[in-house]
Amino acid sequence: GDSVTQMEGPVTLSEEAFLTINCTYTATGYPSLFWYVQYPGEGLQLLLKATKADDKGSNKGFEATYRKETTSFHLEKGSVQVSDSAVYFCALERSNTGKLIFGQGTTLQVKP
Amino acid sequence: NAGVTQTPKFQVLKTGQSMTLQCAQDMNHEYMSWYRQDPGMGLRLIHYSVGAGITDQGEVPNGYNVSRSTTEDFPLRLLSAAPSQTSVYFCASRNGGEQYFGPGTRLTVT
Repeated sequence: GDSVTQMEGPVTLSEEAFLTINCTYTATGYPSLFWYVQYPGEGLQLLLKATKADDKGSNKGFEATYRKETTSFHLEKGSVQVSDSAVYFCALERSNTGKLIFGQGTTLQVKP
Repeated sequence: NAGVTQTPKFQVLKTGQSMTLQCAQDMNHEYMSWYRQDPGMGLRLIHYSVGAGITDQGEVPNGYNVSRSTTEDFPLRLLSAAPSQTSVYFCASRNGGEQYFGPGTRLTVT
């Protein structure tokens, strides 16, 4: 079945460091791919998405490119801030069904 | 708009008790769903609904019931709580390709 695998955390970085959180997926067809962010004590918020191969999603300085050849959707940010500390979830949705399949989440802690 | 609201925020139940987690949205979205979040496992789909009167099972439906009598409300019922249902529960509604999540209900079953 479909699945999403994320790099294990926690990831601890200093402010202004470069961030990469790896995400790979297994799915038939052409799923849509998402990154969600969960700040402490809150629900999930959509960070960015890509709906087809080679699409790049971007928001708030974060970027991810849909790579079908490597079945990956890695999240990157050039310079993290303390306010980026959160849990990040990679997810896929197959065939516009509305059913999301999530990775296990990666905790990011950014220190001043 | 309030978006997606959930009540209660926290709940403690004893094994065998029943309860209903409430979820409401004021965005007139047809699609709504329930997920549970467990450590190291991400979120897993429990039940979903594509519109009033229509519900279907997700990945982990056992022990949960849902109904959808109105577009706005999508309650999740635990008929006989078990410790394995200790989790954080999120309700979501969907419009186009984007899902909007509620703030969650943290449930502990002792």
